[in-house]
Amino acid sequence: AQKVTQAQTEISVVEKEDVTLDCVYETRDTTYYLFWYKQPPSGELVFLIRRNSFDEQNEISGRYSWNFQKSTSSFNFTITASQVVDSAVYFCALSEASGTYKYIFGTGTRLKVLA
Amino acid sequence: DTAVSQTPKYLVTQMGNDKSIKCEQNLGHDTMYWYKQDSKKFLKIMFSYNNKELIINETVPNRFSPKSPDKAHLNLHINSLELGDSAVYFCASSQTKSRPRYTFGSGTRLTVV
Repeated sequence: AQKVTQAQTEISVVEKEDVTLDCVYETRDTTYYLFWYKQPPSGELVFLIRRNSFDEQNEISGRYSWNFQKSTSSFNFTITASQVVDSAVYFCALSEASGTYKYIFGTGTRLKVLA
Repeated sequence: DTAVSQTPKYLVTQMGNDKSIKCEQNLGHDTMYWYKQDSKKFLKIMFSYNNKELIINETVPNRFSPKSPDKAHLNLHINSLELGDSAVYFCASSQTKSRPRYTFGSGTRLTVV
């Protein structure tokens, strides 16, 4: 069965600190997709990144970076120099690469960035 | 133009009532989904339609019935509403094989009193 674990329920940091959100997944599929979504206080779900299982290249986008480690089944997300606007709930999700493509979400990590 | 639109955005209703939530996407995607987000923010799949065919039907009470009149629409009808149905319901769509990435609607907050 597929499973996504976000062990950090809530993290508080002071503005300009770096913060890493952890995501560990379980799947028997050899091909799959991993995602990160952001849910700000306004409630919508905002897509951040998609990574497929055969591409282990890490990615950087501005202040955001992602570290995909297949050997440890982890897909961690780092925000550099955090800002108050980064305060949100962040979800990691896993999807099969065929069939229904349904997402299995982690339970989310609430990030609070304090001014 | 909103890519995935849900109506209504807020719905407050009494226990026992029947209500519907509508979802429309203008992205030309072939698959649509309903997810439920509970009070603890947990997101769980409920249903999915691919080209009007039901492909996912998770363990959901029979009071919930999805309907997809065409590829661009997926509605959710709920009978005999209960307090525990209070949640945020998200619609999403994706083009499965070429671009398996959801576009979510903005959510419908359902409150049963």
